[in-house]
Amino acid sequence: GAGVSQSPSNKVTEKGKDVELRCDPISGHTALYWYRQRLGQGLEFLIYFQGNSAPDKSGLPSDRFSAERTGESVSTLTIQRTQQEDSAVYLCASSLPPGLAGNNEQFFGPGTRLTVL
Amino acid sequence: AQKVTQAQTEISVVEKEDVTLDCVYETRDTTYYLFWYKQPPSGELVFLIRRNSFDEQNEISGRYSWNFQKSTSSFNFTITASQVVDSAVYFCALSRNNAGNMLTFGGGTRLMVKP
Repeated sequence: GAGVSQSPSNKVTEKGKDVELRCDPISGHTALYWYRQRLGQGLEFLIYFQGNSAPDKSGLPSDRFSAERTGESVSTLTIQRTQQEDSAVYLCASSLPPGLAGNNEQFFGPGTRLTVL
Repeated sequence: AQKVTQAQTEISVVEKEDVTLDCVYETRDTTYYLFWYKQPPSGELVFLIRRNSFDEQNEISGRYSWNFQKSTSSFNFTITASQVVDSAVYFCALSRNNAGNMLTFGGGTRLMVKP
């Protein structure tokens, strides 16, 4: 079946502009995660959705970052007034709900490479 | 707080050599999960293995094997008879049990396998 998809694959923007990144999870995956990967580094957790509620937003770096999810489907990550330090690959992952034995593997999308000039 | 450390930032081997990637973790939880992911040059993370904290049996899958030792908080990954296609960045990660499942990643180890 289809995997996690993300759009756009690449985004170049000017400092101060707003950007919106989209994630389509695997059908049936109620859990959705956003991570950020700076160049040459590991992934940093940003936010987790269970359904359309976000029990954990602890990783969002500032109030310029927000995310929403429609039902148990598409999620958008919005970065307002982008800064150069926001340049990174933003990765989305989905999984079956936590708690189901043996089913908390996360499947990752290809990411959106964001460059802020 | 949870933490994952991959001390080796970069490893270079010649094809057919065996190579071990180290992973050390910190957690106060008694129940947790450990993962390894591969990130090839294309960028997409590929799941390799998931192990829960109650299962310390070593696992082998083809040329891949994993050694989980709770006593040293380590979950090392060995590739036997490495191939050029194994060249990638490998990430070790940790998640809590039934707590949102978000992953705490190590910094990754870049493996280069030369022909």
